Amino acid sequence: ETGVTQSPTHLIKTRGQQVTLRCSSQSGHNTVSWYQQALGQGPQFIFQYYREEENGRGNFPPRFSGLQFPNYSSELNVNALELDDSALYLCASIPGRGLAGPGRKETQYFGPGTRLLVL
Amino acid sequence: QQQVKQSPQSLIVQKGGISIINCAYENTAFDYFPWYQQFPGKGPALLIAIRPDVSEKKEGRFTISFNKSAKQFSLHIMDSQPGDSATYFCAASSGGSQGNLIFGKGTKLSVKP
Repeated sequence: ETGVTQSPTHLIKTRGQQVTLRCSSQSGHNTVSWYQQALGQGPQFIFQYYREEENGRGNFPPRFSGLQFPNYSSELNVNALELDDSALYLCASIPGRGLAGPGRKETQYFGPGTRLLVL
Repeated sequence: QQQVKQSPQSLIVQKGGISIINCAYENTAFDYFPWYQQFPGKGPALLIAIRPDVSEKKEGRFTISFNKSAKQFSLHIMDSQPGDSATYFCAASSGGSQGNLIFGKGTKLSVKP
């Protein structure tokens, strides 16, 4: 159990619409990354937020945007949805260096994902 | 350009056998190499990770072997069990455990009873 939750679990949208996906990180984890996982592929890095500021971005267009809030929650927003946006969207909660906690590893803790289907 | 190449795409092993999955990378700036396990409908979960100053790391039945000069690393699962049936991903990062992870395409492992 990673302690990372995502909502909704599944979502169906049509081309051109906008979508907001939500993630609740572990308490104290001030870094969150978002990944897109197409069917049968490995996750691809979208962007990372650290203390509410974007801290790195992968090869995704500006219609993919994010927000991070002080309460360790975050959002991924996708505008002008395209069919190829259909994928599993994962957020990863990341502890600061040396702050993983007793018995916990310094790694990225993934949520269960939101399955988005664009028709 | 795929920075982390993973093979095989799928693997079938008998219960009690050894499962071996290989990955190769190109970027010498990578400094963190984790392996993730993913079950259907779940997010990836860390199995074991290694940094490039170590050639091997073992945790229970799972071992990473790392060859820095060849830019390759592999996952060995000893005494494979049906419960190990899942998709395995290797990954690499140049920002340590906090950096953006570059994943391989995954290996679907099936352990037959």
